[in-house]
Amino acid sequence: GAVVSQHPSRVICKSGTSVKIECRSLDFQATTMFWYRQFPKKSLMLMATSNEGSKATYEQGVEKDKFLINHASLTLSTLTVTSAHPEDSSFYICSARVRLAQETQYFGPGTRLLVL
Amino acid sequence: GESVGLHLPTLSVQEGDNSIINCAYSNSASDYFIWYKQESGKGPQFIIDIRSNMDKRQGQRVTVLLNKTVKHLSLQIAATQPGDSAVYFCAEYTGYALNFGKGTSLLVTP
Repeated sequence: GAVVSQHPSRVICKSGTSVKIECRSLDFQATTMFWYRQFPKKSLMLMATSNEGSKATYEQGVEKDKFLINHASLTLSTLTVTSAHPEDSSFYICSARVRLAQETQYFGPGTRLLVL
Repeated sequence: GESVGLHLPTLSVQEGDNSIINCAYSNSASDYFIWYKQESGKGPQFIIDIRSNMDKRQGQRVTVLLNKTVKHLSLQIAATQPGDSAVYFCAEYTGYALNFGKGTSLLVTP
């Protein structure tokens, strides 16, 4: 149980285009999902916290107009990288928090974004 | 600055030996810690967790030790296997999210 999926697993796009990444909790309801960014050989950096039915909370330094987050249902959150540039190339990972177990987070497999 | 950090960026051990990965944290109010394993190109995988009211917790081949006096956390892996090769992160719960340390790359050699 507690499986989180991400789609796509890998995406290559041209500079200036927008890319949408989906995060789904497959067998549980997640009131909160988190989006992380990870550079090569670096740690995970929290970008934003996504709460179902409300606006996402962004960490300091993360542009909310650049990284649009939508959490439309208890099993789906999306991250859209708008007008992507090469510096947005990274590994994006989502996690989902089980409704009743507040600290426990289950991570998705990640999405590798390459902007040319 | 980071409140969670790791002492060693890389650790090389021989297959069959025990591994110890260390982590220091700075927030004395942190009360929940998790160790994650991340293989290349994949998301973090939960290994073991511990709450601040405990000093030690054991899982299958893994043990987490918590020393609140010096704000230190360690992960011990017994009889390390090639499949244990990965990057290991400790994370502390901040009250609403997880704060990850820098990570230690564990390489298991035959």
